[in-house]
Amino acid sequence: EIVLTQSPGTLSLSPGERATLSCRASQSVSSTYLAWYQQKPGQAPRLLIYGASSRATGIPDRFSGSGSGTDFTLTISRLEPEDFAVYYCQQYGSSPPVTFGQGTRLEIK
Amino acid sequence: QVQLQESGPGLVKPSETLSLTCAVSGYSITSGYNWGWIRQPPGKGLEWIGSIYHSGSTYYNPSLNSRVTISVDTSKNQFSLKLSSVTAADTAVYYCARLATSGAAAGSYDYWGQGTLVTVSS
Repeated sequence: EIVLTQSPGTLSLSPGERATLSCRASQSVSSTYLAWYQQKPGQAPRLLIYGASSRATGIPDRFSGSGSGTDFTLTISRLEPEDFAVYYCQQYGSSPPVTFGQGTRLEIK
Repeated sequence: QVQLQESGPGLVKPSETLSLTCAVSGYSITSGYNWGWIRQPPGKGLEWIGSIYHSGSTYYNPSLNSRVTISVDTSKNQFSLKLSSVTAADTAVYYCARLATSGAAAGSYDYWGQGTLVTVSS
């Protein structure tokens, strides 16, 4: 089973700052099958990034994804108030087919 | 517009079977994609439960494998989850979602239901 470890667990930043979230896999993951989600309280997760670096429909360009192999990064270039939420990475393909990271909470400093 | 909507009892007794249904609108389940269930215990992260392909093939989380059954009802364009022998640890918000298995967004869940809280308690 591929384990995804996200860091940090909590990130405290101010609006306007840059956020860098990490997702590390226990085994190599195909970039094609690495996604990032944003979840706000009381809401379902929303797809932000698929294929490690492609933004989903309607996602602002301040969100970007990068990485390959076992190390992936979600970057938010300039934080807006609505960006403070929990972020999850997810991989698809290895047995079991789907695993999620434990999440990174992005909170207002 | 693709929409998913979970339904089912919000309270289940310990040792009984949790049953949920996900009604899909705006897309035919038989046309493709993978249809899955994900849960989230209160205050915790996301846990993948399992999924069913449009072909009918199923895949389950090994940690739940012996207790999970996912099935599809093509006549109603919906799929269902059954989780047997539940305990308090199965208390969670249960989401259904659509996962792309081909194309640019392959491997990602692009549409989600709003989620439904299921509490296991006597």
